[in-house]
Amino acid sequence: DGGITQSPKYLFRKEGQNVTLSCEQNLNHDAMYWYRQDPGQGLRLIYYSQIVNDFQKGDIAEGYSVSREKKESFPLTVTSAQKNPTAFYLCASSMVFPGDSNTEAFFGQGTRLTVV
Amino acid sequence: AQSVTQLGSHVSVSEGALVLLRCNYSSSVPPYLFWYVQYPNQGLQLLLKYTSAATLVKGINGFEAEFKKSETSFHLTKPSAHMSDAAEYFCAVSDPPGGSYIPTFGRGTSLIVHP
Repeated sequence: DGGITQSPKYLFRKEGQNVTLSCEQNLNHDAMYWYRQDPGQGLRLIYYSQIVNDFQKGDIAEGYSVSREKKESFPLTVTSAQKNPTAFYLCASSMVFPGDSNTEAFFGQGTRLTVV
Repeated sequence: AQSVTQLGSHVSVSEGALVLLRCNYSSSVPPYLFWYVQYPNQGLQLLLKYTSAATLVKGINGFEAEFKKSETSFHLTKPSAHMSDAAEYFCAVSDPPGGSYIPTFGRGTSLIVHP
C-alpha cells in the first residue's frame, strides 16, 4: 500500500544534540512538507520541497534543516539551535499540480520529540 | 495568502447529538478546502474535501460539510455523535492549480463526546 512512513515514533534528545527525523513516501508525490504541532497552535509549516534538491523555508524554519536528495525522502534535522524542540512533528506529501481528485495532502504517523 | 479560522478550540456534545465544527476561510481565489481528523499520537486522516464541484460534500464516518461562498465558510457536521468521534479536527485550505498548493491549517477543534 502507498503511504508515508515516519521514524522513529518517539525520540529523545539531549541538550545540544542534533537529531534527524526520517520521512519516506511511496506515493510518487512531488511535494513534501514538515509541520510542527504544539497543543492549541495547530500545524505550523517548517520546510517544504517541490522538487529534488530544492526546498523552501516555511513559517518556523529557524533551528531546523532539511535535504531532498531523493523524491521519496525528506529528512528533517532538529539542530541544537532550536531552543524549544519538544513537539509532535508531522511529515506530509501531495501533488503539486493536482486534478480535482488528487488535491489533498497525505500524512505520516508523526514523531514525538522530547528534550531530556 | 490563504488562511482558515476554526471557531472554538473545544466542542462538547452528548452521544447522539448533532456535531457542528466551524471553519471560515480567507482566500483571494476560490479555494480547495479540507477537513482532517487526528486521533491521539497519530497523523492526520482526510475526512472530506471541497474542490469546486458540489457544494455539499460527504465524507467518511457520516460527516459532511457545506461550502458557502457568501459566508466564506466550510462547517463540518454530523447528525449523531458517536463516542468514537472524539478526536482533534483540522480545517485546511489550499489554492487550485496556479496558486499556492501548500495546505494551510487552522488551529484545530477538539471534539469531546459525553455518554
